[in-house]
Amino acid sequence: DSGVTQTPKHLITATGQRVTLRCSPRSGDLSVYWYQQSLDQGLQFLIQYYNGEERAKGNILERFSAQQFPDLHSELNLSSLELGDSALYFCASSVGDKAQNTGELFFGEGSRLTVL
Amino acid sequence: AQRVTQPEKLLSVFKGAPVELKCNYSYSGSPELFWYVQYSRQRLQLLLRHISRESIKGFTADLNKGETSFHLKKPFAQEEDSAMYYCALSSYSSYKLIFGSGTRLLVRP
Repeated sequence: DSGVTQTPKHLITATGQRVTLRCSPRSGDLSVYWYQQSLDQGLQFLIQYYNGEERAKGNILERFSAQQFPDLHSELNLSSLELGDSALYFCASSVGDKAQNTGELFFGEGSRLTVL
Repeated sequence: AQRVTQPEKLLSVFKGAPVELKCNYSYSGSPELFWYVQYSRQRLQLLLRHISRESIKGFTADLNKGETSFHLKKPFAQEEDSAMYYCALSSYSSYKLIFGSGTRLLVRP
């Protein structure tokens, strides 16, 4: 499958802990986007990287950080976890660095994080 | 600030009935609007974009700048249209794609 892959699919952890979510973009895509979807909430934009550089930042908490590596995969690090961080975290990728170029983001299946 | 509002969390219609999923946006510049769809057990995917003025799976959406709306319409709903629908907004100068909270469409037989 050459689509966007995310690992892990499910993760259960405790408050105060730290986790890392991983995303591999589609082959050839240089942009990676991270979104958070909490219960009854829409997709909240967190951050975007293009070819290793941060391009845009949304409502990302200071406890969260991300990076994109030379091989273009990306990691989202969530630390000092709180109950409210329980959510589905989506990664998406696109060829270009501006979403409006095609508007088409290709999404992964998401990583479901449960904080107990 | 950019914002997308989808006022309905759930829209239930019978097969063959017309469907209109509402989307309103807030943006001071020239927006680019999109509709994404997520079918059961599938990934979120692009359905259509306003700039293409296309009809996909019988769905159309017209950008109304005066009313700041981009409602998704289909004259005759099918059961396979049941899914989550998200309206999204971007702009020429923006790197972000901002999504609404989504509307679940349920088409009953």
